[in-house]
Amino acid sequence: AQSVTQPDIHITVSEGASLELRCNYSYGATPYLFWYVQSPGQGLQLLLKYFSGDTLVQGIKGFEAEFKRSQSSFNLRKPSVHWSDAAEYFCAVPDSNYQLIWGAGTKLIIKP
Amino acid sequence: DVKVTQSSRYLVKRTGEKVFLECVQDMDHENMFWYRQDPGLGLRLIYFSYDVKMKEKGDIPEGYSVSREKKERFSLILESASTNQTSMYLCASSLFWYPLEGTGELFFGEGSRLTVL
Repeated sequence: AQSVTQPDIHITVSEGASLELRCNYSYGATPYLFWYVQSPGQGLQLLLKYFSGDTLVQGIKGFEAEFKRSQSSFNLRKPSVHWSDAAEYFCAVPDSNYQLIWGAGTKLIIKP
Repeated sequence: DVKVTQSSRYLVKRTGEKVFLECVQDMDHENMFWYRQDPGLGLRLIYFSYDVKMKEKGDIPEGYSVSREKKERFSLILESASTNQTSMYLCASSLFWYPLEGTGELFFGEGSRLTVL
């Protein structure tokens, strides 16, 4: 069965520093992968997605993610974080019924 | 922009009460979803609907029911609330049934935080 693991519950990063949030998946075929962000008091918003093709995908708000089949990973990155990036980030992959399976989420804390 | 509106941001109910959570979307989307969000568990799908009066069970339907009488409105019902249903409830909508069609994007409301005492 498909599954998604986000190993880090919390990550603290200084403002201006780089960021990498980890996502590992278990999927039988070529996966389709999503990252969503939930800012405080707001609904989840799609950051980026991977369907096929280029393994480095660009998203909104300056985020990117790289699909690595050999490592079953789809890590989210940003070169320089801003205080407004403080949020919870979720990785997701469709199951066999085409509904999304969600990781547990990683809460990003920004140090001033 | 797509807007998904959940009627109540915060609710406090007592055990055994019937609870209605309402969700309205304004983009004529076919598909609507109810998720439950708990710390450390991510989002879990309760029910979804791909058409008016149609519904499908998700991963955790027990203790919940849904109603979709109009395309834009999807209601989640707790017939007899229990303390283990204290949670954040998220409504979402999408244009396509298959999340990989089109943009594959789900549009979410801001959530309804339910506390059952």
